[in-house]
Amino acid sequence: EVQLVESGGGLVQPGRSLRLSCAASGFTFDNYVMYWVRQPPGKGLEWVSGISWNSGHIAYADSVTGRFTISRDNAKNSLYLQMNSLRAEDTALYYCTRDLRVGATTYAFAIWGQGTMVTVSS
Amino acid sequence: SYVPTQPPSVSVAPGKTARITCGEDKIGTKSVHWYQQKPGQAPVLVIYYDSDRPSGIPERFSGSNSGNTATLTIGRVEAGDEADYYCQVWDSSSDHVVFGGGTKLTVL
Repeated sequence: EVQLVESGGGLVQPGRSLRLSCAASGFTFDNYVMYWVRQPPGKGLEWVSGISWNSGHIAYADSVTGRFTISRDNAKNSLYLQMNSLRAEDTALYYCTRDLRVGATTYAFAIWGQGTMVTVSS
Repeated sequence: SYVPTQPPSVSVAPGKTARITCGEDKIGTKSVHWYQQKPGQAPVLVIYYDSDRPSGIPERFSGSNSGNTATLTIGRVEAGDEADYYCQVWDSSSDHVVFGGGTKLTVL
């Protein structure tokens, strides 16, 4: 079964850091582009970042550039999001997602995890 | 910045056809993907590359994209189609993925 399981969310004070993880299973992880998408409570979806299969191409939303870092460890079938200098507006459910096609970048998010909640508050 | 516009809400009676639009300048030159999100659940890809359906998505779901408007069409609407729907594109000029604001589909 193809599966993505996020972890690492929680309550954190403004200005602090948090590292999210996403464990992939049921598919050949290093053949796919991966992404993070977030959703603030009661609001819409927001793309956060994407990373190619060999980490050679990385992109970030303007709202997180310079504060968040996406990475992956293909040997561990894992995706990560290091979040620094967190702000109240970063409060959201963070989803790990997988591209639709093997060996290609379609920007269609075919597989989603259930998300991990990040709350930034003092 | 490139931000597709969706109507906040669309209402339709069971058995009728629902059309949800996604508008932006020259969106017809981009590939549009559509997601369905039910309360408390992760989004599900229902249309990719404007009009293709992933396996498992009913034929009632279709898409089109031309000019300044992309459209998700749901035929013979059922109560189970009630959800939020999001369009999404990749903006090559910024290398950013952008979602529309979402449309809440209500089945009357």
